Amino acid sequence: KAGVTQTPRYLIKTRGQQVTLSCSPISGHRSVSWYQQTPGQGLQFLFEYFSETQRNKGNFPGRFSGRQFSNSRSEMNVSTLELGDSALYLCASRQGQAITEAFFGQGTRLTVV
Amino acid sequence: QKEVEQNSGPLSVPEGAIASLNCTYSDRGSQSFFWYRQYSGKSPELIMSIYSNGDKEDGRFTAQLNKASQYVSLLIRDSQPSDSATYLCTILSGSARQLTFGSGTQLTVLP
Repeated sequence: KAGVTQTPRYLIKTRGQQVTLSCSPISGHRSVSWYQQTPGQGLQFLFEYFSETQRNKGNFPGRFSGRQFSNSRSEMNVSTLELGDSALYLCASRQGQAITEAFFGQGTRLTVV
Repeated sequence: QKEVEQNSGPLSVPEGAIASLNCTYSDRGSQSFFWYRQYSGKSPELIMSIYSNGDKEDGRFTAQLNKASQYVSLLIRDSQPSDSATYLCTILSGSARQLTFGSGTQLTVLP
């Protein structure tokens, strides 16, 4: 059974640009959550999608957005990139909202220069 | 007060010893508790989940939960150098139904 797949693995962008990250959950999993991990702040929750609907949102500016498709794949978009957006972006999938164990993808390492 | 508090370490133990990792949480409504292991440069890997008070054992790992004290711990018996990693205490908050992570405890097992 394939795990959670995130693409791309590495990305370098310039300040002011926008970026889109992709996450394909484990087959049969309908919940996808996104996290930002930095050395200073640890793992911070961005948002969660379940059945194409955003169910929870963390405390991030509106430049961070996401969506989920009917096949449960999810994308995260960051507009007007800032240097501080450099981080490891992780997505995690769960089978459903009542199923609490979450499994992470390998992450996308974003560097903003 | 942080929602999930862990000793950041670093914690060093000799090979073969027991490593004890501790965590407290603030949301009394939390029902699900997890420990993730994260190697440097890698993504977190789920190693233990615990939902009720008491101990849960899986191989060399034992998770302990005390909801009255809002305390979760992870014991690693016969620690190996390959156990050297950061361990993240994680709860599923009762109200928001989202995972909240501690800042992690960095464990080093010395050969």
